[in-house]
Amino acid sequence: EVQLVESGGGLVKPGGSLRLSCAASGFTFSGYGMNWVRQAPGKGLEWVSFINSGGNYIFYADSVKGRFTISRDNAKNSLHLQMNSLRVEDTAVYYCARLSGDSWGPGTLVTVSS
Amino acid sequence: DIQMTQSPSSLSASVGDRVTITCQASQDISKYLNWYQQKPGKAPKLLIYDASNLETGVPSRFSGSGSGTDFTFTISSLQPEDIATYYCQQYDNLPPWTFGQGTTVEIK
Repeated sequence: EVQLVESGGGLVKPGGSLRLSCAASGFTFSGYGMNWVRQAPGKGLEWVSFINSGGNYIFYADSVKGRFTISRDNAKNSLHLQMNSLRVEDTAVYYCARLSGDSWGPGTLVTVSS
Repeated sequence: DIQMTQSPSSLSASVGDRVTITCQASQDISKYLNWYQQKPGKAPKLLIYDASNLETGVPSRFSGSGSGTDFTFTISSLQPEDIATYYCQQYDNLPPWTFGQGTTVEIK
C-alpha cells in the first residue's frame, strides 16, 4: 500500500525555520517526482514546490522562492522541505504528494505566529 | 502561469440529484486535468485523471469530461457521503500545478 506521512510541523515565530519531512513507503520512491502542496486555514490548495525523481529538477512557487528548499533522499525514501524566514502567511497544512496526484499524505500543520 | 476558474464556488442539492461543476483553463491544457474530493480535515483524494478517467476504486457516479480549456465534473446521483469540497487541477504546464478555487457541495 502506498503511504506518505509528513512530520515536522509545529508553531514557530515569524522569521523562524522549520524542516518538514515526508516518509514514503509501499512504492519505488526513487521513480517518482514529488510535490509539496499547502492549504491555509479555510482556503484552497496551493502548490509549493516540485522535485523530480533524481532530485536535479526543482521548482518553487513565487511565494516561497528564496526561502524554502526542497530535497529528497532516495536511499531513505524521504522528502524534505526546509522552510526559512517564515511568515504569518505561511501558516497552513502542508501535504506531500506524488506528482500524479494519486497519493497524498495526511498533512502536517505549520503555524507561524508571535 | 495557467489560471483555473472553477464554478460554482458552492452548491446545495438533494440526495439523488445530478451535480455539475465546471472548470475553465486560461489556455489549452489538452486533457491534463485532475479532479479531487476533499473532506474536512482530510487530504485531497484523486477521483478523475486525464480529464475523464476514473481513478481505481472511485464510484462510477463520478465522471469527468472536456478537453482544451473547458472541463466538467459530474456526480450523477448525489449521495450523503459526497458532501465535500471538489477541486480541479491542471498539470499540462509544469511548474506549477494550479488548482481551481474549489466547489463546496452540500445537501439541501
